[in-house]
Amino acid sequence: AQTVTQSQPEMSVQEAETVTLSCTYDTSESDYYLFWYKQPPSRQMILVIRQEAYKQQNATENRFSVNFQKAAKSFSLKISDSQLGDAAMYFCAYRGPSMDSNYQLIWGAGTKLIIKP
Amino acid sequence: NAGVMQNPRHLVRRRGQEARLRCSPMKGHSHVYWYRQLPEEGLKFMVYLQKENIIDESGMPKERFSAEFPKEGPSILRIQQVVRGDSAAYFCASSPSLQTQYFGPGTRLLVL
Repeated sequence: AQTVTQSQPEMSVQEAETVTLSCTYDTSESDYYLFWYKQPPSRQMILVIRQEAYKQQNATENRFSVNFQKAAKSFSLKISDSQLGDAAMYFCAYRGPSMDSNYQLIWGAGTKLIIKP
Repeated sequence: NAGVMQNPRHLVRRRGQEARLRCSPMKGHSHVYWYRQLPEEGLKFMVYLQKENIIDESGMPKERFSAEFPKEGPSILRIQQVVRGDSAAYFCASSPSLQTQYFGPGTRLLVL
């Protein structure tokens, strides 16, 4: 069964600095999807970034980028120039290949990110 | 294009009452997913529906819980005879196909 592990329950970073959140996963599939979602105090679940496993290039969305290491099954999120609005819980999630049986998102336990002003 | 809508945002019920949670997917999305989030935990899959069909309810408790996604109207997650352990945030997500899931704001259920 697929699993997603976030080993950092909490991280803190000074405003304007860079922080990396780690995520590892376990799967026997070769084609799958990985996601980072952000959950601010409002509790809304917001998609931050998505990575297709068949793509070698790391996904980037403005200040957010990932380091996808397929062989190591690692999918870390880097936040550059941290802002106060980045403070939230960050969840890493996995979804299997695009088949009818693979639609569940498998979630990590989350990392609480604190931004120090 | 409005996002995924969920209502109510907060719901308080006494033990034994029924809870009805509604989810309106994004326009053009025919796939709906329900997840439950307990405090300090990630989300857990409950059920996946397409219009008028339950595709997978393997994550949903066998008793007291049911879900539907009628041809017209929102998807409904129904919890009968609620117990304190049902207190959680319930999230709905939708997608146009087996692609990225977009989440609603969630319904926080509190059972007294």
